[in-house]
Amino acid sequence: GENVEQHPSTLSVQEGDSAVIKCTYSDSASNYFPWYKQELGKRPQLIIDIRSNVGEKKDQRIAVTLNKTAKHFSLHITETQPEDSAVYFCAASRRGSTLGRLYFGRGTQLTVWP
Amino acid sequence: GAGVSQSPRYKVAKRGQDVALRCDPISGHVSLFWYQQALGQGPEFLTYFQNEAQLDKSGLPSDRFFAERPEGSVSTLKIQRTQQEDSAVYLCASTLVPTSGSGEQFFGPGTRLTVL
Repeated sequence: GENVEQHPSTLSVQEGDSAVIKCTYSDSASNYFPWYKQELGKRPQLIIDIRSNVGEKKDQRIAVTLNKTAKHFSLHITETQPEDSAVYFCAASRRGSTLGRLYFGRGTQLTVWP
Repeated sequence: GAGVSQSPRYKVAKRGQDVALRCDPISGHVSLFWYQQALGQGPEFLTYFQNEAQLDKSGLPSDRFFAERPEGSVSTLKIQRTQQEDSAVYLCASTLVPTSGSGEQFFGPGTRLTVL
């Protein structure tokens, strides 16, 4: 099955700095890579996703890059704000089959200091 | 409209008790997933329904775990003879379309199960 590794497990940045979280995956058939933000005690919420036919996607301060050859993808947050503090999970799955389950990384606790 | 809801939000069980966790997906959502999230970990897949059909139950950790979605909407995850290692947050997610198409998985708030 798929194995998703996520680094770092914790990340502290000063407000206004950038934050980068990296993930690798093992299954070359995976073709959909969402990122979820989970605040303490809350449900995971999708913040951005990318499909395997795209190398980069941006949404305001958030961007995701994908390197299919190396099987890794990264989340980039620019101009971080204290409200960005949360646990971020990367995930991988296969769209186009009934195997739509998400394989999650172990999460990155991001803390943004004011 | 209303998002995915789950009940109860918190459940404390004594070891050996049976529990039933409920998920109400977004109305009209075809696909429903259950995940288990241990403390400090990412969610791990348990099972998947497309309408009332359980298409994948490969993530259920033992035969003490059972899930159903008899009318293709509400789903129940049942755990029999609970053990301490079952303590976790159980998350439900739904998508509008079958996974063969695009579709964000919308998560519920989860049920935090604590087995004493």
